[in-house]
Amino acid sequence: DVKVTQSSRYLVKRTGEKVFLECVQDMDHENMFWYRQDPGLGLRLIYFSYDVKMKEKGDIPEGYSVSREKKERFSLILESASTNQTSMYLCASGVNIAVGELFFGEGSRLTVL
Amino acid sequence: AQSVAQPEDQVNVAEGNPLTVKCTYSVSGNPYLFWYVQYPNRGLQFLLKYITGDNLVKGSYGFEAEFNKSQTSFHLKKPSALVSDSALYFCAVRDMMTGGYQKVTFGTGTKLQVIP
Repeated sequence: DVKVTQSSRYLVKRTGEKVFLECVQDMDHENMFWYRQDPGLGLRLIYFSYDVKMKEKGDIPEGYSVSREKKERFSLILESASTNQTSMYLCASGVNIAVGELFFGEGSRLTVL
Repeated sequence: AQSVAQPEDQVNVAEGNPLTVKCTYSVSGNPYLFWYVQYPNRGLQFLLKYITGDNLVKGSYGFEAEFNKSQTSFHLKKPSALVSDSALYFCAVRDMMTGGYQKVTFGTGTKLQVIP
């Protein structure tokens, strides 16, 4: 059974804190993605990685960075969390994006106070 | 950029009735379209895709979607709704990023409520 695991389901952080969100997939997928989900806005792509140590900016990369040191692991980093980064963060992985079948983790709900 | 629109924030349907969740698309070239479902407090799950071929696409859990090129629509359907179908449904489209990389762009989502 394929699996994408996000390290934390719920986090509460304070403004200015550094936040790490980790994602691990066990399907040997090349492509991994970080989205944020907000009501009325759907899912918006933050960053994308197509290989180890490779990354590309998505639609809303400001305030975020990523790390992919191993194929199975893709981390999202908020260097200095702000209240407008309170959101649900979803990690996904896939083999062939052309056919659109992404596998998602269960999400990490981040609250920044 | 390619995009999809979901005109309804919420759809209510009685259990046993047919359901339709609407999606329209705007693409240049041939559209690659998808539907995903999100159950409460869960990640998204892939339901079905249209790449080419038959305009009626069958997917998981008894869902199907009808591709209509003239109306630029890709509506999700099910003949008989179940209470367990209550969830958030996302239409999506393959899109291209700067540098030629592909991504999946999602609509804003439609909440389906099936009433017992």
